Amino acid sequence: EDKVVQSPLSLVVHEGDTVTLNCSYEVTNFRSLLWYKQEKKAPTFLFMLTSSGIEKKSGRLSSILDKKELFSILNITATQTGDSAVYLCAGGGSGNTPLVFGKGTRLSVIA
Amino acid sequence: EAQVTQNPRYLITVTGKKLTVTCSQNMNHEYMSWYRQDPGLGLRQIYYSMNVEVTDKGDVPEGYKVSRKEKRNFPLILESPSPNQTSLYFCASAADRGFYEQYFGPGTRLTVT
Repeated sequence: EDKVVQSPLSLVVHEGDTVTLNCSYEVTNFRSLLWYKQEKKAPTFLFMLTSSGIEKKSGRLSSILDKKELFSILNITATQTGDSAVYLCAGGGSGNTPLVFGKGTRLSVIA
Repeated sequence: EAQVTQNPRYLITVTGKKLTVTCSQNMNHEYMSWYRQDPGLGLRQIYYSMNVEVTDKGDVPEGYKVSRKEKRNFPLILESPSPNQTSLYFCASAADRGFYEQYFGPGTRLTVT
């Protein structure tokens, strides 16, 4: 059965800290790993990773995929209170396998 | 503006009363999907559709029906809702199922009493 496991489940940091969120996956015929940010509404897309070892960056956020070890990390540097959210990781395969989401990491950034 | 819309956004209903939650996207996406989100369980896929007239079960399809008669619309039907279907529902669309990012609708909070 396909699964995506995220860790930690929750995290509290101070503004300015750097955080690393983890995502491991087991997805049949894996094609892509996606990261989303969910505040008090719908998830919003952050990154999609398909190739191993290539870092994707957007401002203070970056992510990398390791297809050999089947995991991805999401880094957030110089955290701000606006980064407080649940971060979701999802694995996508080919064929008729559904997109599988992890349970998310709840990040709280305190001033 | 590219978007996925859902209606209604909030719904309180009683057990057994049939309901439909509509979903529409304006991005000409082939792939559409329904999820439910519950505390501690995360996002779980209910049904998805690869294209018009093509639908398939996700992880938790029991008690739900869908249809895809047009590319832009993907309604979720609960023929006989039960309290365990109380949840937050999201519709999503993508150009491709696994390879491209999914765009999520704003969510529908359903309460079944």
